[in-house]
Amino acid sequence: GAGVSQSPRYKVAKRGQDVALRCDPISGHVSLFWYQQALGQGPEFLTYFQNEAQLDKSGLPSDRFFAERPEGSVSTLKIQRTQQEDSAVYLCASSLNVLTDTQYFGPGTRLTVL
Amino acid sequence: GESVGLHLPTLSVQEGDNSIINCAYSNSASDYFIWYKQESGKGPQFIIDIRSNMDKRQGQRVTVLLNKTVKHLSLQIAATQPGDSAVYFCAETSNRDDKIIFGKGTRLHILP
Repeated sequence: GAGVSQSPRYKVAKRGQDVALRCDPISGHVSLFWYQQALGQGPEFLTYFQNEAQLDKSGLPSDRFFAERPEGSVSTLKIQRTQQEDSAVYLCASSLNVLTDTQYFGPGTRLTVL
Repeated sequence: GESVGLHLPTLSVQEGDNSIINCAYSNSASDYFIWYKQESGKGPQFIIDIRSNMDKRQGQRVTVLLNKTVKHLSLQIAATQPGDSAVYFCAETSNRDDKIIFGKGTRLHILP
């Protein structure tokens, strides 16, 4: 497809489990962003990649959150030892080049931690 | 801290009428503003953007107005249709930053 895809769409984890969320950006897009969206709230920035370089990870809420984009394309957001407060929709977005290029969002992964 | 907020959490509009969604921002350094539409179960979808050197920009059925004096942004939707039902977010950023800050959102409800 031509858009940003994310998998899985839904993930249920028991507290303490590790999860990995995948993002496939639009082909050729240099920039990739991860956001966390709590119910009824706007997305909140987590981290940003330009190609394989993670240029900003200031939004990651704790050291349990880790993101990578080793080949400058697919990205994975990993959450270790999940907690109930991690329950949210995790959105991925990509843009052609710089931040002020239009960001195209994927459908998100809804994570529920029991 | 800096934030983007909305005046109304829910807006109900008669089908065919015009909708106006408002947003206040507080970061005077922001110079790029975006409106997104988010339907249930989907990611935000870009609608229209505006840079700080403009005060108005028009798209198809949508217009964004920027008032830098009072730090206010609005989205106008002409002839609102049932497909316009969604949550609308304003967002801001600047060339000196690498993150977009989203507001909390306004739900637009279309009355038949």
